[in-house]
Amino acid sequence: GESVGLHLPTLSVQEGDNSIINCAYSNSASDYFIWYKQESGKGPQFIIDIRSNMDKRQGQRVTVLLNKTVKHLSLQIAATQPGDSAVYFCAEWGRTGGSYIPTFGRGTSLIVHP
Amino acid sequence: ETGVTQTPRHLVMGMTNKKSLKCEQHLGHNAMYWYKQSAKKPLELMFVYNFKEQTENNSVPSRFSPECPNSSHLFLHLHTLQPEDSALYLCASSQDSQGFNYGYTFGSGTRLTVV
Repeated sequence: GESVGLHLPTLSVQEGDNSIINCAYSNSASDYFIWYKQESGKGPQFIIDIRSNMDKRQGQRVTVLLNKTVKHLSLQIAATQPGDSAVYFCAEWGRTGGSYIPTFGRGTSLIVHP
Repeated sequence: ETGVTQTPRHLVMGMTNKKSLKCEQHLGHNAMYWYKQSAKKPLELMFVYNFKEQTENNSVPSRFSPECPNSSHLFLHLHTLQPEDSALYLCASSQDSQGFNYGYTFGSGTRLTVV
């Protein structure tokens, strides 16, 4: 079946470094993607989204890149801070039958060392 | 606060108990969802309500019973649960069940432990 996966379960970086978190998706019909951040004890929080008609979108310190050719999504965090420590996961939206329900990745744990 | 409030935050219940989880949103959204989040697994969709009507039941056991009295409130009634049902239960809402316009807004979840 279709699935969304992550290449690395844990990513450790030093404060100030740039972080890159990757996500592979397999549904070529997916047309909308979101990166979520989930801190310990909290629910997932929207970070940034991108539609399939784009290949790059920038936010505050975050950039999402979409490569539809290889079905790959990445989240880049500039100047990573300790407050960025959390689990990050991607979600893809695509129509499956009559439903338009997202598929979520397992998540990557980002650990930022001071 | 995200605008989606879940209560209680933590719940410990025995396998013969009956309890309910509550979710409330004040975002004016029309769709609400229950998700189960287990350790090291992706989010698992349980139920979808769009304009108070249940539109998805993702093969969830009958010991989980959802209720959506209006577009702002969602309940998950629990009875005779199993230890493997222990997980974080997340409620989410969106403008509609298509999930456009910033996708889902999640609550903080209820950490459920079945003993």
